[in-house]
Amino acid sequence: NAGVTQTPKFQVLKTGQSMTLQCAQDMNHNSMYWYRQDPGMGLRLIYYSASEGTTDKGEVPNGYNVSRLNKREFSLRLESAAPSQTSVYFCASSEGTQETQYFGPGTRLLVL
Amino acid sequence: KNEVEQSPQNLTAQEGEFITINCSYSVGISALHWLQQHPGGGIVSLFMLSSGKKKHGRLIATINIQEKHSSLHITASHPRDSAVYICAVLRLEDGGSQGNLIFGKGTKLSVKP
Repeated sequence: NAGVTQTPKFQVLKTGQSMTLQCAQDMNHNSMYWYRQDPGMGLRLIYYSASEGTTDKGEVPNGYNVSRLNKREFSLRLESAAPSQTSVYFCASSEGTQETQYFGPGTRLLVL
Repeated sequence: KNEVEQSPQNLTAQEGEFITINCSYSVGISALHWLQQHPGGGIVSLFMLSSGKKKHGRLIATINIQEKHSSLHITASHPRDSAVYICAVLRLEDGGSQGNLIFGKGTKLSVKP
Protein backbone atom coordinates (compact mmCIF):
# COMPACT_ATOMS: atom_id res chain seq x y z
CA ASN A 1 0.00 0.00 0.00
CA ALA A 2 1.29 3.45 -0.90
CA GLY A 3 -0.81 5.18 1.77
CA VAL A 4 -1.30 8.84 0.90
CA THR A 5 0.47 10.14 -2.19
CA GLN A 6 0.85 13.74 -3.34
CA THR A 7 1.99 15.27 -6.61
CA PRO A 8 4.02 17.25 -7.35
CA LYS A 9 6.71 17.16 -4.65
CA PHE A 10 7.95 20.63 -5.49
CA GLN A 11 6.61 23.44 -7.67
CA VAL A 12 7.61 27.00 -8.51
CA LEU A 13 4.89 29.35 -9.76
CA LYS A 14 4.77 32.95 -10.81
CA THR A 15 2.21 35.25 -9.21
CA GLY A 16 -1.13 34.85 -10.97
CA GLN A 17 -0.49 31.37 -12.32
CA SER A 18 -2.83 28.52 -11.46
CA MET A 19 -2.12 24.95 -10.47
CA THR A 20 -3.71 21.88 -8.93
CA LEU A 21 -2.16 19.78 -6.19
CA GLN A 22 -3.17 16.16 -6.40
CA CYS A 23 -3.73 13.79 -3.49
CA ALA A 24 -4.73 10.13 -3.52
CA GLN A 25 -5.14 7.49 -0.80
CA ASP A 26 -5.45 3.73 -1.12
CA MET A 27 -6.72 2.98 2.39
CA ASN A 28 -10.43 3.29 1.53
CA HIS A 29 -10.70 6.22 3.92
CA ASN A 30 -13.83 8.33 4.01
CA SER A 31 -12.29 11.63 5.12
CA MET A 32 -9.56 13.69 3.47
CA TYR A 33 -7.88 16.97 4.35
CA TRP A 34 -5.61 19.67 2.97
CA TYR A 35 -3.26 21.53 5.34
CA ARG A 36 -0.60 24.15 4.90
CA GLN A 37 2.46 24.48 7.11
CA ASP A 38 4.32 27.75 7.47
CA PRO A 39 7.34 28.51 9.67
CA GLY A 40 6.26 29.49 13.19
CA MET A 41 2.57 28.91 12.41
CA GLY A 42 2.01 25.21 12.78
CA LEU A 43 -0.28 23.24 10.50
CA ARG A 44 -3.54 24.89 9.45
CA LEU A 45 -6.53 23.27 7.79
CA ILE A 46 -7.46 24.68 4.38
CA TYR A 47 -10.35 22.41 3.37
CA TYR A 48 -11.56 18.98 4.27
CA SER A 49 -13.95 16.37 2.92
CA ALA A 50 -15.68 14.40 5.65
CA SER A 51 -17.00 11.91 3.10
CA GLU A 52 -17.20 11.45 -0.65
CA GLY A 53 -19.37 14.16 -2.15
CA THR A 54 -18.88 16.71 0.64
CA THR A 55 -16.32 19.46 1.17
CA ASP A 56 -16.06 22.10 3.87
CA LYS A 57 -13.88 25.09 4.61
CA GLY A 58 -11.23 24.93 7.28
CA GLU A 59 -9.33 27.71 8.99
CA VAL A 60 -7.65 29.27 5.91
CA PRO A 61 -9.71 28.57 2.75
CA ASN A 62 -9.31 31.92 0.93
CA GLY A 63 -7.56 31.60 -2.43
CA TYR A 64 -8.16 27.85 -2.70
CA ASN A 65 -10.74 25.48 -4.13
CA VAL A 66 -11.04 21.74 -3.70
CA SER A 67 -12.59 18.80 -5.50
CA ARG A 68 -13.33 15.39 -4.02
CA LEU A 69 -13.09 13.59 -7.34
CA ASN A 70 -13.98 10.19 -5.88
CA LYS A 71 -13.35 8.34 -2.63
CA ARG A 72 -9.61 8.05 -3.38
CA GLU A 73 -8.76 11.51 -4.69
CA PHE A 74 -8.93 15.01 -3.24
CA SER A 75 -7.37 17.88 -5.20
CA LEU A 76 -6.50 21.43 -4.15
CA ARG A 77 -6.55 24.22 -6.73
CA LEU A 78 -4.90 27.62 -6.61
CA GLU A 79 -6.68 29.74 -9.23
CA SER A 80 -4.36 32.75 -9.06
CA ALA A 81 -1.28 32.07 -6.97
CA ALA A 82 0.05 34.74 -4.62
CA PRO A 83 3.41 34.91 -2.76
CA SER A 84 1.46 34.46 0.50
CA GLN A 85 0.60 30.95 -0.68
CA THR A 86 4.26 29.92 -0.56
CA SER A 87 4.12 27.04 1.88
CA VAL A 88 4.37 23.30 2.34
CA TYR A 89 1.05 21.60 1.63
CA PHE A 90 0.08 18.32 3.25
CA CYS A 91 -2.79 16.05 2.34
CA ALA A 92 -4.13 13.62 4.94
CA SER A 93 -6.83 10.99 5.17
CA SER A 94 -8.66 9.15 7.92
CA GLU A 95 -11.37 6.54 8.23
CA GLY A 96 -13.65 9.11 9.85
CA THR A 97 -13.26 12.65 11.07
CA GLN A 98 -12.56 11.50 14.62
CA GLU A 99 -9.99 8.88 13.65
CA THR A 100 -6.22 8.89 13.25
CA GLN A 101 -5.07 10.90 10.25
CA TYR A 102 -2.42 9.62 7.83
CA PHE A 103 -0.33 12.23 6.06
CA GLY A 104 1.16 12.43 2.61
CA PRO A 105 4.80 13.46 2.05
CA GLY A 106 3.95 17.08 1.31
CA THR A 107 4.27 19.47 -1.63
CA ARG A 108 6.66 22.39 -1.34
CA LEU A 109 5.25 25.37 -3.27
CA LEU A 110 7.14 28.56 -4.02
CA VAL A 111 5.24 31.50 -5.53
CA LEU A 112 7.46 34.24 -6.94
CA LYS B 1 -3.78 33.39 22.78
CA ASN B 2 -3.31 30.14 20.86
CA GLU B 3 -5.83 27.44 21.64
CA VAL B 4 -3.06 24.83 21.81
CA GLU B 5 0.23 25.62 23.52
CA GLN B 6 3.24 23.35 23.65
CA SER B 7 6.31 23.51 25.86
CA PRO B 8 9.16 23.60 25.53
CA GLN B 9 9.58 24.96 21.98
CA ASN B 10 13.04 23.41 21.75
CA LEU B 11 14.57 20.58 23.73
CA THR B 12 18.05 19.11 23.63
CA ALA B 13 18.71 15.87 25.48
CA GLN B 14 21.48 13.34 25.86
CA GLU B 15 20.92 9.81 24.63
CA GLY B 16 19.21 7.73 27.30
CA GLU B 17 17.45 10.61 29.03
CA PHE B 18 13.74 10.59 29.90
CA ILE B 19 11.94 13.29 27.94
CA THR B 20 8.64 15.05 28.59
CA ILE B 21 6.83 17.34 26.15
CA ASN B 22 3.76 19.20 27.36
CA CYS B 23 0.58 20.34 25.63
CA SER B 24 -2.07 22.61 27.13
CA TYR B 25 -5.30 23.58 25.44
CA SER B 26 -8.02 26.08 26.22
CA VAL B 27 -11.08 24.55 24.54
CA GLY B 28 -13.28 21.54 25.14
CA ILE B 29 -12.03 18.64 23.08
CA SER B 30 -13.25 15.29 21.86
CA ALA B 31 -9.75 13.94 21.16
CA LEU B 32 -6.09 14.88 21.27
CA HIS B 33 -3.44 13.75 18.81
CA TRP B 34 0.34 13.53 19.08
CA LEU B 35 2.23 13.62 15.78
CA GLN B 36 5.89 13.31 14.87
CA GLN B 37 7.43 15.26 12.01
CA HIS B 38 10.72 13.84 10.81
CA PRO B 39 13.64 16.08 9.76
CA GLY B 40 12.79 15.23 6.15
CA GLY B 41 9.30 16.67 6.64
CA GLY B 42 7.13 13.53 6.81
CA ILE B 43 4.38 13.50 9.46
CA VAL B 44 3.37 10.38 11.36
CA SER B 45 0.54 10.03 13.84
CA LEU B 46 1.76 8.63 17.16
CA PHE B 47 -1.30 8.62 19.38
CA MET B 48 -4.91 9.65 19.51
CA LEU B 49 -6.42 9.76 22.98
CA SER B 50 -9.45 11.12 24.75
CA SER B 51 -8.72 9.91 28.27
CA GLY B 52 -6.08 8.22 30.40
CA LYS B 53 -2.85 6.92 28.99
CA LYS B 54 -1.51 5.10 25.94
CA LYS B 55 1.85 3.40 25.43
CA HIS B 56 3.66 2.33 22.30
CA GLY B 57 7.19 1.08 22.69
CA ARG B 58 9.23 3.81 24.42
CA LEU B 59 6.51 6.42 23.94
CA ILE B 60 3.81 7.16 26.50
CA ALA B 61 1.04 9.73 26.13
CA THR B 62 -1.19 10.88 28.96
CA ILE B 63 -4.11 13.27 29.10
CA ASN B 64 -5.89 15.01 31.96
CA ILE B 65 -9.22 16.28 30.62
CA GLN B 66 -10.06 18.28 33.76
CA GLU B 67 -6.74 20.16 33.64
CA LYS B 68 -6.79 20.41 29.80
CA HIS B 69 -3.27 19.06 29.62
CA SER B 70 -1.44 16.24 27.89
CA SER B 71 2.12 15.00 28.07
CA LEU B 72 4.23 12.93 25.71
CA HIS B 73 7.04 10.99 27.37
CA ILE B 74 9.96 9.28 25.68
CA THR B 75 11.92 6.78 27.77
CA ALA B 76 15.55 5.89 27.02
CA SER B 77 15.76 8.54 24.29
CA HIS B 78 17.81 7.86 21.17
CA PRO B 79 19.17 10.14 18.42
CA ARG B 80 16.60 8.67 16.03
CA ASP B 81 13.90 10.26 18.23
CA SER B 82 15.11 13.68 17.02
CA ALA B 83 12.09 15.26 15.36
CA VAL B 84 9.38 17.85 15.86
CA TYR B 85 6.54 16.61 18.06
CA ILE B 86 3.16 18.19 17.43
CA CYS B 87 0.07 18.23 19.61
CA ALA B 88 -3.34 18.71 17.96
CA VAL B 89 -6.87 18.79 19.36
CA LEU B 90 -10.30 18.14 17.88
CA ARG B 91 -12.57 20.73 19.43
CA LEU B 92 -15.71 19.40 21.07
CA GLU B 93 -17.99 21.70 19.08
CA ASP B 94 -16.33 20.42 15.91
CA GLY B 95 -17.07 16.81 16.75
CA GLY B 96 -19.35 14.60 14.71
CA SER B 97 -19.17 15.36 11.03
CA GLN B 98 -16.31 17.81 11.21
CA GLY B 99 -12.60 17.18 11.46
CA ASN B 100 -10.98 20.49 12.19
CA LEU B 101 -7.80 19.71 14.10
CA ILE B 102 -6.17 22.65 15.84
CA PHE B 103 -2.39 22.24 15.98
CA GLY B 104 0.25 23.43 18.38
CA LYS B 105 3.41 24.89 16.91
CA GLY B 106 5.47 21.86 17.80
CA THR B 107 8.41 20.99 20.03
CA LYS B 108 11.73 20.45 18.30
CA LEU B 109 13.63 17.64 20.02
CA SER B 110 17.28 16.94 19.44
CA VAL B 111 18.84 13.90 21.11
CA LYS B 112 22.64 13.90 21.18
CA PRO B 113 24.65 10.65 21.22
